[in-house]
Amino acid sequence: DGGITQSPKYLFRKEGQNVTLSCEQNLNHDAMYWYRQDPGQGLRLIYYSQIVNDFQKGDIAEGYSVSREKKESFPLTVTSAQKNPTAFYLCASSIFRGYGYTFGSGTRLTVV
Amino acid sequence: DAKTTQPNSMESNEEEPVHLPCNHSTISGTDYIHWYRQLPSQGPEYVIHGLTSNVNNRMASLAIAEDRKSSTLILHRATLRDAAVYYCILRADNDYKLSFGAGTTVTVRA
Repeated sequence: DGGITQSPKYLFRKEGQNVTLSCEQNLNHDAMYWYRQDPGQGLRLIYYSQIVNDFQKGDIAEGYSVSREKKESFPLTVTSAQKNPTAFYLCASSIFRGYGYTFGSGTRLTVV
Repeated sequence: DAKTTQPNSMESNEEEPVHLPCNHSTISGTDYIHWYRQLPSQGPEYVIHGLTSNVNNRMASLAIAEDRKSSTLILHRATLRDAAVYYCILRADNDYKLSFGAGTTVTVRA
């Protein structure tokens, strides 16, 4: 079945460490996105990529980095520069100017 | 980005219809109206979208006002599985991005 896989589901890290969240899709979608969600809040866009080897900052890109070396993969690195990294991270994809996003099941990151 | 306004929460009884309003008075001619829902601890899922005409699919119906400044998502017979946060989002035809607000939390009583 086609879909988006995010791993791991839960992730714990010590403060000051960089951590990379995985996002893989087999939907042959062109565009991929990373969102962050804090408790009781809506989703906020971190980064998005419309095509391989190209990506743009979203509304809250500071402290995050991404790469898009393959169409299927869009990993997100949460760096030590991100002041409040504990959150629920969601990856999504869509076809070119398509109407529907497909979301992964999310990674819950806790930094202690 | 054009903004939407939704009530914070709504309650419904099981097997009754649910009407979720959304105001978008600054909508432009190329903005599509999208609805997504998010169940607890899951990623959002696409529900429905429309431009000018009312739309129906297996999940819901979307009623769009004639002036397009408001719309209503209709769940015809609510079930306990419909308890979720529902997001009304405007997306321009030439834009990739979706901007999520706080949404409406729907509670379904058995």
